[in-house]
Amino acid sequence: GQNIDQPTEMTATEGAIVQINCTYQTSGFNGLFWYQQHAGEAPTFLSYNVLDGLEEKGRFSSFLSRSKGYSYLLLKELQMKDSASYLCAVSWDQGGKLIFGQGTELSVKP
Amino acid sequence: DGGITQSPKYLFRKEGQNVTLSCEQNLNHDAMYWYRQDPGQGLRLIYYSQIVNDFQKGDIAEGYSVSREKKESFPLTVTSAQKNPTAFYLCASTSQGEPSNSPLHFGNGTRLTVT
Repeated sequence: GQNIDQPTEMTATEGAIVQINCTYQTSGFNGLFWYQQHAGEAPTFLSYNVLDGLEEKGRFSSFLSRSKGYSYLLLKELQMKDSASYLCAVSWDQGGKLIFGQGTELSVKP
Repeated sequence: DGGITQSPKYLFRKEGQNVTLSCEQNLNHDAMYWYRQDPGQGLRLIYYSQIVNDFQKGDIAEGYSVSREKKESFPLTVTSAQKNPTAFYLCASTSQGEPSNSPLHFGNGTRLTVT
């Protein structure tokens, strides 16, 4: 079956670095997305990985290893506004359908 | 500005009533999706449509219905057959050209409470 796992919650300190892991087992793979979702709001797109390696975008970076079915989202110089849920999602067919992980609730403390 | 509009933000209904959630987009996207979000669970796909007048069931379509008469609009009806309708509903769209790598654009969601 299709499955995506990520930690339910994490806590980090303002200014620090945090890594949110995601492992997946899907019948196909066309890429992996990370979204950020603040409470009660719409998810917003953060990153997309389809090839192995690290994609850097400002304070946020995302890594993919297809052979291991593994990705992580790295957040640097954490700010209070980074407190949110981070969703890992895999595109597994050509039609653009995604399977989502349960989300990781990140709390940034002063 | 282009975007996806869901209305209303909060909706309350009595058990046994059908209710329709609105989703409108002006991004000129071909593909539209409905997801359901419950606490502690990932987003689950209810229905999706890749072109006008065509739609397919997602993973949890039972108790829901949709229509796609216009490119801009993809309303979702939650019927009385849906056993646990209380949830946060998210509508999304993406360009059809490369759907497998195009990020989803989400509306702000409708929180439905059925009592």
